[in-house]
Amino acid sequence: AQKVTQAQTEISVVEKEDVTLDCVYETRDTTYYLFWYKQPPSGELVFLIRRNSFDEQNEISGRYSWNFQKSTSSFNFTITASQVVDSAVYFCALRGNNAGNMLTFGGGTRLMVKP
Amino acid sequence: EPEVTQTPSHQVTQMGQEVILRCVPISNHLYFYWYRQILGQKVEFLVSFYNNEISEKSEIFDDQFSVERPDGSNFTLKIRSTKLEDSAMYFCASTSDTTSGINEQFFGPGTRLTVL
Repeated sequence: AQKVTQAQTEISVVEKEDVTLDCVYETRDTTYYLFWYKQPPSGELVFLIRRNSFDEQNEISGRYSWNFQKSTSSFNFTITASQVVDSAVYFCALRGNNAGNMLTFGGGTRLMVKP
Repeated sequence: EPEVTQTPSHQVTQMGQEVILRCVPISNHLYFYWYRQILGQKVEFLVSFYNNEISEKSEIFDDQFSVERPDGSNFTLKIRSTKLEDSAMYFCASTSDTTSGINEQFFGPGTRLTVL
């Protein structure tokens, strides 16, 4: 069975602060894939990043960075210099090596960035 | 940029009625999915579909649910007899290839289903 845990249900920061969203996962698959999606107030799910289990390199994209640590089964997401437009619910998701290739989502973290 | 589209954006129905939610996946994609999100909760997998058949389904996807790809572009989710607890946002997703794992699922904007 697969499981994704996002322990922080809600985070509130002031604009320009850095913020890290935690994600811890469980899977028995040796090959798996991790994702982050953003859900703004409008409701759609926006893909942010994919990471394969055999690639532990961290990634930076503009103000976004991701820290993948297999040893602790974590895939944390950091927003540097947060902006009001970053306010959204962020979901971490896991896809194992299953036939249906389904995504297992965490419960989401609601990020509120105040001006 | 190609995108997944869903219609309608909002559907209101009476309990016990049948509803069909429609999706047009990205044109060269081969794998299709339905997920649902009850208000304020996490996104849950319902079913995946490939090569004109269901490849995996969750416990939520019981006999009241069915999926179909009636033509080369549409992918539908039917709920035969809606219940109050079916009220949720339903997301369709598609992806091009899963064998290499180098893929992401692209989600549609969702259909909000309200069962009264």
